[in-house]
Amino acid sequence: QQQVKQSPQSLIVQKGGISIINCAYENTAFDYFPWYQQFPGKGPALLIAIRPDVSEKKEGRFTISFNKSAKQFSLHIMDSQPGDSATYFCAAVNNAGNMLTFGGGTRLMVKP
Amino acid sequence: DVKVTQSSRYLVKRTGEKVFLECVQDMDHENMFWYRQDPGLGLRLIYFSYDVKMKEKGDIPEGYSVSREKKERFSLILESASTNQTSMYLCASSLVDRGNNEKLFFGSGTQLSVL
Repeated sequence: QQQVKQSPQSLIVQKGGISIINCAYENTAFDYFPWYQQFPGKGPALLIAIRPDVSEKKEGRFTISFNKSAKQFSLHIMDSQPGDSATYFCAAVNNAGNMLTFGGGTRLMVKP
Repeated sequence: DVKVTQSSRYLVKRTGEKVFLECVQDMDHENMFWYRQDPGLGLRLIYFSYDVKMKEKGDIPEGYSVSREKKERFSLILESASTNQTSMYLCASSLVDRGNNEKLFFGSGTQLSVL
């Protein structure tokens, strides 16, 4: 049973569009929520992360929106580019500092 | 840049074989991890280690063991490979930043096929 549920499993977006990936969790002890980006043939790499004391964090075209009451968070990629085509994983860590729990991943394809 | 190196990119083994997956990191990180990646299931933690000769079970340790004799090296061992262990295996090391946030650095993965 996955503690972090991620959707959709795959996503196709036109160049210039907005890509949205959603994650939901149950464990209220989670207090750190990173997103990892994985290109084909490579390992995942940290993209952006948020703590629940803020509702939004933006880094360039990437934004995390966080809804603590709904226990949901999402990644928005503005002006999506073909170079953004990758697999994205959301994750969560609890305040005891235990290991990351990853979502199932979303394979994003941005069409030129 | 942090470098996490996995010894093999692709590996094909037969059922019942003993399999060693090697991982080396060059940043003197104390924490190291082994994950397996399967479509739709994300990354699942097999084992991790906080220090030399120390190991802790992750979420799916059955059928696996690990060895950490040196700080920079963390090995994953499949004592008797089975077909359900066909997967992408990812090694990672981590550091904790000043905000107490842990950042993982992954290797490129080993695609293991057990026939």
